[in-house]
Amino acid sequence: DAGVIQSPRHEVTEMGQEVTLRCKPISGHNSLFWYRQTMMRGLELLIYFNNNVPIDDSGMPEDRFSAKMPNASFSTLKIQPSEPRDSAVYFCASSPPGLTPRDRYNEQFFGPGTRLTVL
Amino acid sequence: DAKTTQPPSMDCAEGRAANLPCNHSTISGNEYVYWYRQIHSQGPQYIIHGLKNNETNEMASLIITEDRKSSTLILPHATLRDTAVYYCIGGLTDKLIFGTGTRLQVFP
Repeated sequence: DAGVIQSPRHEVTEMGQEVTLRCKPISGHNSLFWYRQTMMRGLELLIYFNNNVPIDDSGMPEDRFSAKMPNASFSTLKIQPSEPRDSAVYFCASSPPGLTPRDRYNEQFFGPGTRLTVL
Repeated sequence: DAKTTQPPSMDCAEGRAANLPCNHSTISGNEYVYWYRQIHSQGPQYIIHGLKNNETNEMASLIITEDRKSSTLILPHATLRDTAVYYCIGGLTDKLIFGTGTRLQVFP
């Protein structure tokens, strides 16, 4: 199993440019999560999807950020326009369906992250 | 989601047991306790979870107090590769809120 795949691994862009981060979850997983990690704020949940539907986007910083999941095997996080304060490592994670409603738990599998630098 | 409190850092000698405490006094009856760790420059990695009973897997043991207000993650024989930030999270399924964690340094 290839695990969660993220691309690009590194992205350097200039302020004002559009940035698109990509994620391929583990096959068979039905939940997908986008996180952002900085030294100042730690690891923050931005948004998560269940069965391709956004469930909670309360962590999305502002309207410049948008996320989509057009199918079960692909998701994007877009920043337009980008700003220097968006510089961070962005992680994507996926988790499988619960075993049973009674024993359902959330083991999330994280990708390697995309390190974004906005100049 | 339950608020958790962890010491910011700990040291452990290689080969010894590492005991990482976590306080989650506000945890509700149906919230799990999860432990993840993050090795430098990598994404977080799931370690173990529990609800009421103590749990053990190939990576670690989780001891949860009877009142569920605190727990301890035990790495029975720490190695240098266990140096990482360890996060204790109290929450329901589908959403994990990561705190600042405990930075564990395993030394030779």
